[in-house]
Amino acid sequence: EAGVAQSPRYKIIEKRQSVAFWCNPISGHATLYWYQQILGQGPKLLIQFQNNGVVDDSQLPKDRFSAERLKGVDSTLKIQPAKLEDSAVYLCASSQRQGGKNSPLHFGNGTRLTVT
Amino acid sequence: KNQVEQSPQSLIILEGKNCTLQCNYTVSPFSNLRWYKQDTGRGPVSLTIMTFSENTKSNGRYTATLDADTKQSSLHITASQLSDSASYICVVSGVHQTGANNLFFGTGTRLTVIP
Repeated sequence: EAGVAQSPRYKIIEKRQSVAFWCNPISGHATLYWYQQILGQGPKLLIQFQNNGVVDDSQLPKDRFSAERLKGVDSTLKIQPAKLEDSAVYLCASSQRQGGKNSPLHFGNGTRLTVT
Repeated sequence: KNQVEQSPQSLIILEGKNCTLQCNYTVSPFSNLRWYKQDTGRGPVSLTIMTFSENTKSNGRYTATLDADTKQSSLHITASQLSDSASYICVVSGVHQTGANNLFFGTGTRLTVIP
């Protein structure tokens, strides 16, 4: 099966600019996650979708971050305006269900964002 | 508070040697625990999963153990290879009051295997 696709692979922007990331999950996976991974740390959940509804966005900095999953398939994550501390890898993951025994997360290779 | 702690933070071993990585958690109620391997520049990939009733599971040269009473897990790598160089992340799934599963990530152990 095709894996989780993310683009772009790398992005360099100046602070206060805006940026958008795209994710195409594995076909049939109802649950989609966006994680932020700062160098040397584990992934931190930003937002979780179940189909096209938001399950958890409690750690999403809503003043600057937004995400949508139209039609319950592809998803985009946007940052506007970006800050220096947003420099990180943004990982998209999908699973058939939420965290069950037979539902491992399948991660994309991420987008590495550098804010200068 | 639900937390997952991993040790050591980093580890360097010689090729061919064995090593053991540790994961302690306070997540409750507990559903399952997974170990993921993350190569540099890639997303994490699931290695093993363990539920409450399982105390050991192997995947090739990787063997995970789980002690649900002490809330500890370990990942043992046998006869290490250069390709084992990666970060290993422990992820614990807890059961939310709504019945949904919440995932709690450790910060990972960075393993470097040298020739």
